Amino acid sequence: AQSVAQPEDQVNVAEGNPLTVKCTYSVSGNPYLFWYVQYPNRGLQFLLKYITGDNLVKGSYGFEAEFNKSQTSFHLKKPSALVSDSALYFCAVRDSRGTYKYIFGTGTRLKVLA
Amino acid sequence: NAGVTQTPKFQVLKTGQSMTLQCAQDMNHEYMSWYRQDPGMGLRLIHYSVGAGITDQGEVPNGYNVSRSTTEDFPLRLLSAAPSQTSVYFCASSPRLELTDTQYFGPGTRLTVL
Repeated sequence: AQSVAQPEDQVNVAEGNPLTVKCTYSVSGNPYLFWYVQYPNRGLQFLLKYITGDNLVKGSYGFEAEFNKSQTSFHLKKPSALVSDSALYFCAVRDSRGTYKYIFGTGTRLKVLA
Repeated sequence: NAGVTQTPKFQVLKTGQSMTLQCAQDMNHEYMSWYRQDPGMGLRLIHYSVGAGITDQGEVPNGYNVSRSTTEDFPLRLLSAAPSQTSVYFCASSPRLELTDTQYFGPGTRLTVL
């Protein structure tokens, strides 16, 4: 069965510092991995996805994510955090051998401190 | 395009009442889905549809019914509301039936069952 883990409920980082939000996954086939962001009282917005190819994926708002097959991880990163990046971040996976179901992680709240 | 729209934004029900959460998209998307978001649980898939007339269960389908009579609409019915169904509900859609597709989310419906 496919699953996603986000081990940190909250990540605090100072503005201007690099940030990392962690995600690990488990699937039977090849993973299709996604990051979404949720701002307060809003729906989720797509940030980036990994399908195949280059392990470093670039997305919206300066975010990027690194796919690591051996560690089954897909960590979200940004070189320099902004206060406006403060939000709830979700990792999600689809299995290439699976159905059309998405599985989401439990979410990580990112707080960027001024 | 209005994107994915959901009504109502807020709803309070008494235990045992029924209601329908509405979801519509004007992007001619094939795939539509319903999630519930609960603190510490992330997003959990309730039901999804791969086209008009075709629906399937997600992780937490009990207590919910869906139908998809048109491409645009995907209503979620609560037949007999229970306090455990207090949650924020999100509808989402994707353009095609590709496992690599991203999802577009509606703004959500906050439901309280007393």
